[in-house]
Amino acid sequence: DVQMTQSPSYLAASPGESVSISCKASKSISNNLAWYQEKPGKANKLLIHSGSTLQSGTPSRFSGSGSGTDFTLTIRSLEFEDFAVYYCQQYNEYPLTFGSGTKLEIK
Amino acid sequence: EVQLVESGGGLVQPGRSMKLSCAASGFTFSDYYMAWVRQAPKKGLEWVASISYEGSSTYYGDSVKGRFTISRDNAKSTLYLQMNSLRSEDTATYYCARRVPVDYWGQGVMVTVSS
Repeated sequence: DVQMTQSPSYLAASPGESVSISCKASKSISNNLAWYQEKPGKANKLLIHSGSTLQSGTPSRFSGSGSGTDFTLTIRSLEFEDFAVYYCQQYNEYPLTFGSGTKLEIK
Repeated sequence: EVQLVESGGGLVQPGRSMKLSCAASGFTFSDYYMAWVRQAPKKGLEWVASISYEGSSTYYGDSVKGRFTISRDNAKSTLYLQMNSLRSEDTATYYCARRVPVDYWGQGVMVTVSS
């Protein structure tokens, strides 16, 4: 199985700052990596797929990079609505696996 | 508008069975792989199972393989998850999901396995 190691598990930042979240796969997953946002009371939201392709409706301050085993989600100029939990997921092979999540809180 | 509405959750004793349903609308159901994803209380997301367009191919997570069965009825636009030999660690909110990567999620249904 492909293990997804996501870091950090917790991140505190202020609006206007930029942050990055890392996701490392235990073996190459090509670019078959998605990023999701989880907010209380709302359906989870697909932000990025194929490692770096923004899903329709995702603000341009979000970006994804990487391929193979190392991936990064970057959020520039944080807005209040961005404070949430973020997950990566590999869909290169079954069983599909998620990272453990990163909670982004307001500093 | 795409809608995924789960039902069938609740409290069940360990070792018993439960079947979840997900009614889909707003898209051509048979055009999409479908999946179940769960989230235990205060924990992260865990992919449970996926099924191909016509149901001929199914895939399962290691923790549920041999106990859970995913199926679909394209005529009814409905996805199912038959859960047998339930354990306390299956306690979670179960989400119906359209394809992977998931572009639409249901609101979730809670399953509690406890005596």
